[in-house]
Amino acid sequence: GAGVSQSPSNKVTEKGKDVELRCDPISGHTALYWYRQSLGQGLEFLIYFQGNSAPDKSGLPSDRFSAERTGGSVSTLTIQRTQQEDSAVYLCAGTPGLASHEQFFGPGTRLTVL
Amino acid sequence: DQQVKQNSPSLSVQEGRISILNCDYTNSMFDYFLWYKKYPAEGPTFLISISSIKDKNEDGRFTVFLNKSAKHLSLHIVPSQPGDSAVYFCAAIWSGGSNYKLTFGKGTLLTVNP
Repeated sequence: GAGVSQSPSNKVTEKGKDVELRCDPISGHTALYWYRQSLGQGLEFLIYFQGNSAPDKSGLPSDRFSAERTGGSVSTLTIQRTQQEDSAVYLCAGTPGLASHEQFFGPGTRLTVL
Repeated sequence: DQQVKQNSPSLSVQEGRISILNCDYTNSMFDYFLWYKKYPAEGPTFLISISSIKDKNEDGRFTVFLNKSAKHLSLHIVPSQPGDSAVYFCAAIWSGGSNYKLTFGKGTLLTVNP
Protein backbone atom coordinates (compact mmCIF):
# COMPACT_ATOMS: atom_id res chain seq x y z
CA GLY A 1 0.00 0.00 0.00
CA ALA A 2 0.94 3.62 -0.38
CA GLY A 3 0.67 4.56 3.26
CA VAL A 4 1.20 3.24 6.77
CA SER A 5 -1.51 0.83 7.83
CA GLN A 6 -2.46 -0.24 11.33
CA SER A 7 -4.79 -2.90 12.59
CA PRO A 8 -7.18 -3.16 14.19
CA SER A 9 -8.55 0.35 13.92
CA ASN A 10 -10.46 -0.14 17.16
CA LYS A 11 -9.95 -2.61 19.97
CA VAL A 12 -12.09 -3.00 23.07
CA THR A 13 -10.78 -5.38 25.67
CA GLU A 14 -11.33 -6.30 29.28
CA LYS A 15 -8.88 -5.37 31.98
CA GLY A 16 -6.26 -8.06 32.40
CA LYS A 17 -6.36 -9.33 28.83
CA ASP A 18 -3.43 -9.16 26.42
CA VAL A 19 -3.68 -7.20 23.16
CA GLU A 20 -1.57 -7.10 20.05
CA LEU A 21 -1.48 -4.11 17.72
CA ARG A 22 -0.03 -4.27 14.25
CA CYS A 23 1.76 -1.73 12.07
CA ASP A 24 2.64 -2.13 8.42
CA PRO A 25 4.95 0.73 7.43
CA ILE A 26 5.67 2.17 4.01
CA SER A 27 7.94 -0.11 2.05
CA GLY A 28 11.55 0.97 2.38
CA HIS A 29 11.06 2.94 5.57
CA THR A 30 13.84 1.67 7.75
CA ALA A 31 12.94 3.58 10.90
CA LEU A 32 9.73 2.79 12.77
CA TYR A 33 8.25 4.44 15.84
CA TRP A 34 5.36 3.72 18.15
CA TYR A 35 3.62 6.57 19.95
CA ARG A 36 0.48 6.76 22.00
CA GLN A 37 -1.94 9.58 22.53
CA SER A 38 -4.00 9.54 25.68
CA LEU A 39 -7.06 11.74 26.01
CA GLY A 40 -6.08 15.41 26.11
CA GLN A 41 -2.41 14.66 25.77
CA GLY A 42 0.19 14.98 23.07
CA LEU A 43 1.81 12.05 21.39
CA GLU A 44 4.04 10.10 23.74
CA PHE A 45 7.05 8.23 22.35
CA LEU A 46 7.10 4.52 23.15
CA ILE A 47 9.72 2.68 21.11
CA TYR A 48 11.96 3.09 18.05
CA PHE A 49 13.35 0.59 15.57
CA GLN A 50 16.11 1.40 13.08
CA GLY A 51 17.30 -1.28 10.72
CA ASN A 52 19.02 -4.13 12.53
CA SER A 53 20.01 -2.03 15.53
CA ALA A 54 18.72 -2.79 18.98
CA PRO A 55 15.44 -0.96 19.52
CA ASP A 56 15.22 2.08 21.76
CA LYS A 57 12.65 1.05 24.35
CA SER A 58 13.14 4.05 26.60
CA GLY A 59 9.55 5.25 26.21
CA LEU A 60 7.77 2.05 27.16
CA PRO A 61 5.76 2.82 30.32
CA SER A 62 6.06 -0.58 31.95
CA ASP A 63 7.30 -4.12 31.36
CA ARG A 64 3.79 -5.07 30.28
CA PHE A 65 4.59 -3.34 26.99
CA SER A 66 6.77 -4.93 24.35
CA ALA A 67 7.25 -4.61 20.62
CA GLU A 68 8.99 -6.40 17.86
CA ARG A 69 9.71 -5.77 14.24
CA THR A 70 10.08 -8.76 11.98
CA GLY A 71 12.16 -8.66 8.84
CA GLY A 72 12.60 -4.91 9.09
CA SER A 73 8.99 -4.34 8.09
CA VAL A 74 5.85 -5.20 10.05
CA SER A 75 5.84 -4.36 13.74
CA THR A 76 3.62 -5.54 16.56
CA LEU A 77 3.10 -3.81 19.88
CA THR A 78 1.94 -6.12 22.64
CA ILE A 79 0.37 -5.02 25.89
CA GLN A 80 0.02 -7.72 28.51
CA ARG A 81 -2.49 -7.66 31.36
CA THR A 82 -4.06 -4.46 30.09
CA GLN A 83 -5.09 -1.77 32.54
CA GLN A 84 -7.64 1.00 32.11
CA GLU A 85 -4.87 3.60 31.92
CA ASP A 86 -3.61 1.86 28.77
CA SER A 87 -6.67 3.20 26.94
CA ALA A 88 -5.34 5.50 24.23
CA VAL A 89 -4.76 5.80 20.50
CA TYR A 90 -1.60 3.96 19.51
CA LEU A 91 0.13 5.41 16.48
CA CYS A 92 2.86 3.97 14.33
CA ALA A 93 5.14 6.11 12.18
CA GLY A 94 8.04 5.54 9.84
CA THR A 95 10.78 7.44 8.09
CA PRO A 96 12.96 6.55 5.13
CA GLY A 97 16.04 6.79 7.31
CA LEU A 98 18.03 8.96 9.63
CA ALA A 99 18.42 11.70 7.03
CA SER A 100 14.74 12.50 7.16
CA HIS A 101 13.03 14.00 10.18
CA GLU A 102 9.55 13.84 8.69
CA GLN A 103 7.62 10.91 10.07
CA PHE A 104 4.73 9.31 8.22
CA PHE A 105 1.96 8.18 10.53
CA GLY A 106 -0.63 5.48 10.30
CA PRO A 107 -4.28 6.08 11.26
CA GLY A 108 -3.78 4.59 14.70
CA THR A 109 -5.48 1.93 16.80
CA ARG A 110 -7.93 3.15 19.41
CA LEU A 111 -7.62 0.87 22.42
CA THR A 112 -10.29 0.88 25.08
CA VAL A 113 -9.75 -1.16 28.22
CA LEU A 114 -12.95 -1.71 30.19
CA ASP B 1 8.32 17.70 32.39
CA GLN B 2 6.74 18.99 29.21
CA GLN B 3 9.47 20.03 26.81
CA VAL B 4 7.13 21.23 24.08
CA LYS B 5 4.16 23.31 25.12
CA GLN B 6 1.13 24.47 23.21
CA ASN B 7 -0.63 26.61 25.74
CA SER B 8 -3.80 27.21 23.75
CA PRO B 9 -5.95 24.08 23.62
CA SER B 10 -8.21 25.68 21.05
CA LEU B 11 -8.45 28.57 18.62
CA SER B 12 -11.38 29.81 16.57
CA VAL B 13 -10.99 32.13 13.57
CA GLN B 14 -13.13 33.39 10.75
CA GLU B 15 -12.62 32.11 7.22
CA GLY B 16 -10.20 34.34 5.31
CA ARG B 17 -8.49 35.67 8.43
CA ILE B 18 -5.10 34.70 9.79
CA SER B 19 -4.67 31.78 12.19
CA ILE B 20 -1.67 31.92 14.49
CA LEU B 21 -0.76 28.83 16.47
CA ASN B 22 1.95 29.08 19.07
CA CYS B 23 4.45 26.65 20.51
CA ASP B 24 7.14 27.00 23.18
CA TYR B 25 9.94 24.62 24.00
CA THR B 26 12.35 24.29 26.89
CA ASN B 27 15.08 22.00 25.57
CA SER B 28 17.77 24.12 23.90
CA MET B 29 19.15 21.00 22.19
CA PHE B 30 16.17 20.87 19.84
CA ASP B 31 17.32 21.91 16.38
CA TYR B 32 14.46 20.94 14.09
CA PHE B 33 10.78 21.67 14.45
CA LEU B 34 7.73 20.32 12.67
CA TRP B 35 4.04 21.04 12.55
CA TYR B 36 1.58 18.22 12.06
CA LYS B 37 -2.11 18.42 11.31
CA LYS B 38 -4.54 15.79 12.55
CA TYR B 39 -8.12 15.16 11.54
CA PRO B 40 -10.34 12.93 13.72
CA ALA B 41 -9.76 9.19 13.25
CA GLU B 42 -6.68 9.83 11.13
CA GLY B 43 -2.99 9.86 11.89
CA PRO B 44 -1.08 13.15 11.99
CA THR B 45 0.14 14.40 8.63
CA PHE B 46 3.23 16.50 8.16
CA LEU B 47 2.57 20.13 7.34
CA ILE B 48 5.74 22.19 7.46
CA SER B 49 9.08 22.22 9.23
CA ILE B 50 11.95 24.52 10.08
CA SER B 51 15.57 24.02 10.95
CA SER B 52 17.14 26.01 13.75
CA ILE B 53 19.47 27.68 11.26
CA LYS B 54 16.48 29.53 9.83
CA ASP B 55 13.94 31.86 11.35
CA LYS B 56 11.22 31.49 8.74
CA ASN B 57 9.93 28.89 6.34
CA GLU B 58 7.03 29.41 3.99
CA ASP B 59 4.92 26.96 2.01
CA GLY B 60 1.87 28.40 0.32
CA ARG B 61 -0.59 29.58 2.94
CA PHE B 62 1.55 28.21 5.76
CA THR B 63 4.51 29.99 7.35
CA VAL B 64 6.46 28.89 10.38
CA PHE B 65 8.49 31.39 12.38
CA LEU B 66 11.21 30.42 14.82
CA ASN B 67 12.57 32.64 17.58
CA LYS B 68 15.44 30.67 19.10
CA SER B 69 16.27 33.18 21.80
CA ALA B 70 12.71 32.98 23.07
CA LYS B 71 12.43 29.23 22.36
CA HIS B 72 9.22 29.97 20.56
CA LEU B 73 7.75 29.08 17.22
CA SER B 74 4.49 29.89 15.55
CA LEU B 75 2.51 28.67 12.59
CA HIS B 76 0.64 31.22 10.51
CA ILE B 77 -2.13 30.20 8.14
CA VAL B 78 -3.25 32.89 5.73
CA PRO B 79 -5.97 32.94 4.57
CA SER B 80 -7.62 30.39 6.84
CA GLN B 81 -10.10 28.00 5.24
CA PRO B 82 -12.78 25.75 6.81
CA GLY B 83 -10.79 22.71 5.65
CA ASP B 84 -7.96 23.83 7.91
CA SER B 85 -10.08 22.92 10.93
CA ALA B 86 -8.08 20.22 12.70
CA VAL B 87 -5.76 19.64 15.64
CA TYR B 88 -2.29 21.06 15.06
CA PHE B 89 0.67 19.53 16.84
CA CYS B 90 4.02 21.18 17.25
CA ALA B 91 6.94 18.74 17.43
CA ALA B 92 10.65 19.11 18.07
CA ILE B 93 13.64 16.92 17.51
CA TRP B 94 17.31 16.85 18.41
CA SER B 95 19.26 15.72 15.36
CA GLY B 96 22.19 14.74 17.51
CA GLY B 97 20.13 12.28 19.50
CA SER B 98 20.32 8.55 18.98
CA ASN B 99 16.75 7.92 17.97
CA TYR B 100 15.36 11.03 16.27
CA LYS B 101 12.22 10.76 18.31
CA LEU B 102 9.74 13.59 18.01
CA THR B 103 8.65 15.37 21.16
CA PHE B 104 5.12 16.62 20.71
CA GLY B 105 3.03 19.32 22.29
CA LYS B 106 -0.53 18.54 23.36
CA GLY B 107 -2.00 20.14 20.28
CA THR B 108 -4.27 23.07 19.46
CA LEU B 109 -7.71 22.52 18.00
CA LEU B 110 -8.24 25.07 15.24
CA THR B 111 -11.77 25.80 14.10
CA VAL B 112 -12.22 27.96 11.02
CA ASN B 113 -15.75 29.26 10.76
CA PRO B 114 -17.28 29.90 7.33
